Amino acid sequence: DTGVSQDPRHKITKRGQNVTFRCDPISEHNRLYWYRQTLGQGPEFLTYFQNEAQLEKSRLLSDRFSAERPKGSFSTLEIQRTEQGDSAMYLCASIISGNGPNTQYFGPGTRLTVL
Amino acid sequence: RKEVEQDPGPFNVPEGATVAFNCTYSNSASQSFFWYRQDCRKEPKLLMSVYSSGNEDGRFTAQLNRASQYISLLIRDSKLSDSATYLCVVNILTGGGNKLTFGTGTQLKVEL
Repeated sequence: DTGVSQDPRHKITKRGQNVTFRCDPISEHNRLYWYRQTLGQGPEFLTYFQNEAQLEKSRLLSDRFSAERPKGSFSTLEIQRTEQGDSAMYLCASIISGNGPNTQYFGPGTRLTVL
Repeated sequence: RKEVEQDPGPFNVPEGATVAFNCTYSNSASQSFFWYRQDCRKEPKLLMSVYSSGNEDGRFTAQLNRASQYISLLIRDSKLSDSATYLCVVNILTGGGNKLTFGTGTQLKVEL
């Protein structure tokens, strides 16, 4: 499979626990994006990386959230001290920058449920 | 005001009908435009890009009006398999990068 992959696909956790999600982008894609989607809403931008550099963070990304892309390939998104409001689908997308109209390809998402 | 606004629907149409979705965006600096399709509990997938001259892909036609900041999607001869949520998406260039801004999506249900 040469698409974007995410792991785990589902995560159930108790309030206050820490969780970490992983995204593996399409191999030649240098930009990687994280989005969050709640029921009935479109995906909302969280942050993005150009290679290993984190270039932009949304105000949605509180200090409990941290994202890394240490070697410019896969990325992790960690949520510390989870809250029930963090329950959502977390989507990762990747792209080759400068390639036409900048089509982003999405992974299948990680569905987080905080009890 | 939301940056990208869509009628959430649902639009319930019979098979074979023509259906049109509209979308407006607020940021005049928006640079590129897309329609994504999202099936229930799945990730969004690109349906088509939207160009100023209008573009067609089979039964799907997209239009962009930059002056009115308005985007549309027309689906002709709708199929049961077209049932999904259609997301209007705008790409805004931000300091050295770009990000996609999504509407809430319009739900389409095609019925027998």
